[in-house]
Amino acid sequence: QKEVEQNSGPLSVPEGAIASLNCTYSDRVSQSFFWYRQYSGKSPELIMSIYSNGDKEDGRFTAQLNKASQYVSLLIRDSQPSDSATYLCAVNDGTDKLIFGTGTRLQVFP
Amino acid sequence: DTAVSQTPKYLVTQMGNDKSIKCEQNLGHDTMYWYKQDSKKFLKIMFSYNNKELIINETVPNRFSPKSPDKAHLNLHINSLELGDSAVYFCASSQDQASVGGELFFGEGSRLTVL
Repeated sequence: QKEVEQNSGPLSVPEGAIASLNCTYSDRVSQSFFWYRQYSGKSPELIMSIYSNGDKEDGRFTAQLNKASQYVSLLIRDSQPSDSATYLCAVNDGTDKLIFGTGTRLQVFP
Repeated sequence: DTAVSQTPKYLVTQMGNDKSIKCEQNLGHDTMYWYKQDSKKFLKIMFSYNNKELIINETVPNRFSPKSPDKAHLNLHINSLELGDSAVYFCASSQDQASVGGELFFGEGSRLTVL
């Protein structure tokens, strides 16, 4: 069973802090990795994709990938209350399927 | 214009009934999906179609039957509804199949409640 694991949280951080969200995956052949954000009652939306080892930055977001450790993370700098949402890690399993983790709920308090 | 639209947004029905959810995308994408999100927020793929051809059929009861009349539409019909079918069903589309790293664009979801 191919799995994507995330801590369900909630992860609570103060406004302005760095939020660090982590994800591990079981399938070594996975090549594509994604972070989706889902606000309560809304649909998931893609915020980051990463395909190679290392860091990828986009504004306040940085995705980090370590294929040897089967680990992908998302850092959110200068966290804002509007970042409060559930963050879903998704991994392509080497076929045509995207496997989602159960998500980490982030709460940013003023 | 909504990129991926689903109807209806809410369905409340009795056990044993049959219901359908419709999905349309105007992004010109070749691949469409149905995902089920349960009460614990776990998002699990059910079906995927590429240009009207079924390419992913997960372990889903055969009470669930997808249908893609053309590459812009993917419908889901559910027979003999059970309590455990209560969930939010998301339609999604992507330009490429997931194997080449296609980004998914989700519809707003259809919340199904079976009483």
